[in-house]
Formats: sequence, C-alpha cells, structure tokens
Amino acid sequence: GESVGLHLPTLSVQEGDNSIINCAYSNSASDYFIWYKQESGKGPQFIIDIRSNMDKRQGQRVTVLLNKTVKHLSLQIAATQPGDSAVYFCAENGAAGNKLTFGGGTRVLVKP
Amino acid sequence: ETGVTQTPRHLVMGMTNKKSLKCEQHLGHNAMYWYKQSAKKPLELMFVYSLEERVENNSVPSRFSPECPNSSHLFLHLHTLQPEDSALYLCASSQEGADTQYFGPGTRLTVL
Repeated sequence: GESVGLHLPTLSVQEGDNSIINCAYSNSASDYFIWYKQESGKGPQFIIDIRSNMDKRQGQRVTVLLNKTVKHLSLQIAATQPGDSAVYFCAENGAAGNKLTFGGGTRVLVKP
Repeated sequence: ETGVTQTPRHLVMGMTNKKSLKCEQHLGHNAMYWYKQSAKKPLELMFVYSLEERVENNSVPSRFSPECPNSSHLFLHLHTLQPEDSALYLCASSQEGADTQYFGPGTRLTVL
C-alpha cells in the first residue's frame, strides 16, 4: 500500500518522541476530517476523525487539532513507536456526496 | 483488518487479458467505493455505489467496469488494460450518508 515513487514529505522521528503531522485543506465547506495510516503492503487504516464543531479530539496516543480559520489540520502522535512508521493521510468531506478528498500523505520514519 | 477484504492481493496481467477484482465488506455498510493509488498520485476515487446503485463515475475509462450485485460485494472487471493502469486498487465501504470510510488491503495490479 505504499506510495512508492510519490515524492512524499518525510518526518523522521526518534523513538519515544512526539510526532506532529500537518495537513492543509482548501474547501471551506468541509465539516468532517479524518486521518488514515497506511503501512507498507496494507490499505489505509482509520486512526481518528473530527467534525468542524470541535477543534481538538483525542484518541489513544493520538490527538487531532483543527484550525478552521487557517484551514489546517494536524495529527499528534505521543511517544512515537516503531510501529507508527507509515504514510499518514488526511481527508476532508467537502465534495458533494459520500466523497472524501485525500491529501498526498506524509511518510513517518521512526528511528530506534 | 478483516472488515473489508479484497482478492486477489496481487495480480499480474497482460494487456489482452480479462480479470476481475473482488471486494467484500463484513461491516453491514451500504456504500462501497473503488479507489486507485498509483506511484505518482494521491488516492483517486473511481466509482461509488450507494444502496447498490452507481452514483459516481469519475471519468474512468471504459476498460474498468464495476459491478455491485449486493451491498456486501463489489467487483471491478478489467479488460484490455494499459501498463499505466498498474497501481494499487483499494476498495472501501461506509454507511450511506456517513463520512467514515473503511478500506480493504488493496489489490496490487501489474499490467505487462
């Protein structure tokens, strides 16, 4: 499932440190945002989502922050582990119908 | 991991072959999607089925033909493909009207 060949921004993180992955969106009409994790050889896996009536939501070791003013979304991973190495995608629902628009992804590499 | 399954996981075919990709969801959803993930582009939505009717066809060439016999199964029939069609084909499902989509592991397709 890796986007081999796609020039992805890469975040190198030391194991145990916190990671912050950023995403900019363009559609002001979007009211739902979602983060996916895609490990090599697998499909995207749901991590966490947030609606536009919130600016922060926490999960297990992950936090999503939404800044509607500047159309910015971020995913924070606490105490990053080797198993967190993957490509992370954000998506928004601004398009009509059951459609998500995906960002290009960020590759996270966790150094032991 | 087993909520959405796809077969085969890997497929190599010649340009004159006809093959089919299969997707099955075990989540009780009633909307299903085909996406293409290629090396140089982010996720591209190909088809959307909602309540077993096709509601979206994103200008996909006719050499790709989807079929949704019931709300749990989705097929993508392939014929006379081109080498540039080589990609990871992802199936997803959701509840009609809901934003969260759940993905299968994908079929890695190589067209020779």
